[in-house]
Amino acid sequence: TQLLEQSPQFLSIQEGENLTVYCNSSSVFSSLQWYRQEPGEGPVLLVTVVTGGEVKKLKRLTFQFGDARKDSSLHITAAQPGDTGLYLCRGAGNNRKLIWGLGTSLAVNP
Amino acid sequence: GAGVSQSPSNKVTEKGKDVELRCDPISGHTALYWYRQSLGQGLEFLIYFQGNSAPDKSGLPSDRFSAERTGGSVSTLTIQRTQQEDSAVYLCASSLQADRDFSYEQYFGPGTRLTVT
Repeated sequence: TQLLEQSPQFLSIQEGENLTVYCNSSSVFSSLQWYRQEPGEGPVLLVTVVTGGEVKKLKRLTFQFGDARKDSSLHITAAQPGDTGLYLCRGAGNNRKLIWGLGTSLAVNP
Repeated sequence: GAGVSQSPSNKVTEKGKDVELRCDPISGHTALYWYRQSLGQGLEFLIYFQGNSAPDKSGLPSDRFSAERTGGSVSTLTIQRTQQEDSAVYLCASSLQADRDFSYEQYFGPGTRLTVT
């Protein structure tokens, strides 16, 4: 069974701090996606990473795909209250199953 | 419409009753997905449609769950003889199409919160 494990599960920080959240698996994924979900809404795609070692930047967010394509990280610089939400990673597993991590719930306090 | 819409937004039903959840995808999107999101369980992939066809129904939790899509547009997820463990938020998403790795961006609706009492 393919799993995506996300850590930490919960994170509460002050505005302006930096943070990194992780998405790990023992399986290889052809691609991983990161989403952010706010309460009462569906997830919104942030980025797709497809190449081992790939780094993508989206303003203050930096996404990295591990060389072996088994893990990924999301780094946020100078977090803002608007970054608050549930961060989810998603991979396309074997047999065309979509596999999601449980998410990291981030709270950025003003 | 501008985005994916789902109805109802909230549904409270008694155990044993049948419920029908509706999803209206973005116009022109050929792929449609159903998920279930529960506290502590994360997002569970239930089924996807490419056009009106569902290539793999094995993600549906039990034979009480079924889904249809007609005209390549609206989809309904039906849960028969609801149980308390069916309580969750049911999310629908659509994308332009579905390739091997589901790489096309999925746009999600706001979900239907189902509570079985």
